[in-house]
Amino acid sequence: DVQMTQSPSYLAASPGESVSISCKASKSINTYLAWYQEKPGKTNKLLIYSGSTLQSGTPSRFSGSGSGTDFTLTIRSLEPEDFAVYYCQQHNEYPLTFGSGTKLEIK
Amino acid sequence: QVQLQQSGAELVKPGSSVKISCKASGYTFTSYDMHWIKQQPGNGLEWIGWIYPGNGNTKYNQKFNGKATLTADKSSSTAYMQLSSLTSEDSAVYFCARAGRVYPGDWFAYWGQGTLVTVSS
Repeated sequence: DVQMTQSPSYLAASPGESVSISCKASKSINTYLAWYQEKPGKTNKLLIYSGSTLQSGTPSRFSGSGSGTDFTLTIRSLEPEDFAVYYCQQHNEYPLTFGSGTKLEIK
Repeated sequence: QVQLQQSGAELVKPGSSVKISCKASGYTFTSYDMHWIKQQPGNGLEWIGWIYPGNGNTKYNQKFNGKATLTADKSSSTAYMQLSSLTSEDSAVYFCARAGRVYPGDWFAYWGQGTLVTVSS
């Protein structure tokens, strides 16, 4: 199975700042990586798939980059609604696997 | 708009089975894979498998072979997951999630709200 190592597990930032979350795969997954946002009381939200393709409705302050084994989710100019838990997921091969999550909190 | 409405929380006894439902609306149910995902505190998210409601084809994570059985009812646009021989390790929140696009699209564009399964005597 492809192991997904996400870091950091916890991140504190202020509104207006930019942050980056890393996701590393144990083997090449080409560009087949998705990012999700988890918030209490809401269903999980797909942000990005295939490494850098924004899902319809995802604000442009979110961006995804990377290929092979190293990927990054960047959020520019944080808004209050961005404080949440973020997960990566590889969709290159079965079984599909997830990172362990990054909790983004307000500093 | 696409919606996935899951059945309510379950408290079940060890050794028994449970069947969770996921009613889909807002899209053509038979055209997209429906995935199932397990979430346990501290264990993160685990992919269980998918079912293609159009023809009933399934794909499982080998880890869940024999544990989970996926089915779908086209007439009611509802997907089901049955979990058998339950142990405390099966206590978790289970999500259904629709594939991102018609095959291939193994990312999850829409999620259900989750169903908590608690296995306890």
